[in-house]
Amino acid sequence: DIQMTQSPSTLSASVGDRVTITCRASQSISRWLAWYQEKPGKAPKLLIYKASTLETGVPSRFSGSGSGTEFTLTISSLQPDDFATYFCQQYNTYSRTFGQGTKLEIK
Amino acid sequence: VQLVESGGDLVQPGGSLRLSCAASGFSFSSFAMNWVRRAPGKGLEWVAGISGSGSSTYYSDSVKGRFTISRDNSENTLFLQMNSLTVEDAALYYCAKDSWEFPEYYFDCWGQGTLVTVSS
Repeated sequence: DIQMTQSPSTLSASVGDRVTITCRASQSISRWLAWYQEKPGKAPKLLIYKASTLETGVPSRFSGSGSGTEFTLTISSLQPDDFATYFCQQYNTYSRTFGQGTKLEIK
Repeated sequence: VQLVESGGDLVQPGGSLRLSCAASGFSFSSFAMNWVRRAPGKGLEWVAGISGSGSSTYYSDSVKGRFTISRDNSENTLFLQMNSLTVEDAALYYCAKDSWEFPEYYFDCWGQGTLVTVSS
């Protein structure tokens, strides 16, 4: 299986900050990468697919980039609702795999 | 679009359990469906996927031969039959809608999960 490694595992930031989360794949996955947001007790929510395509309804402060083995999720100006856990997922093969998650905390 | 899982319970090692996922708000038979789990303190693990028609199924190595994914398109319901359960199968199990007909892409809708506990 393709291993997905996210960094950092925890990120402390303030409202208005610009933050970036990185996801690395153990082999090239082209642009077959998605990003999700998860909050306690709620269903995970799709934010971005195909590395940089914003899901309908997701605020434009979220953006994704990358290809091959290195990808980033950027939130341009943190809002209170953005403090959550974020994880990446590759779909280069049917055996989809996930990053371990990045918890975004209020500083 | 809504997915609601049910069937999670406490079961003994070696036991069986059947999970269900009721889907609404989309053309169920047009999309592949999946089960994804998160064990306590661990990351997400894709478990099984099934094509929109139900004719093709896919499993992770960790559950192959023990779990069976199926669907009833007339009832808009997804199932996961879990046999020979071990403590490593204890997890929150999510139902997740694939973004197209075959279980190969990203998940554009998730349920809130149903908890499976395996303990004697």
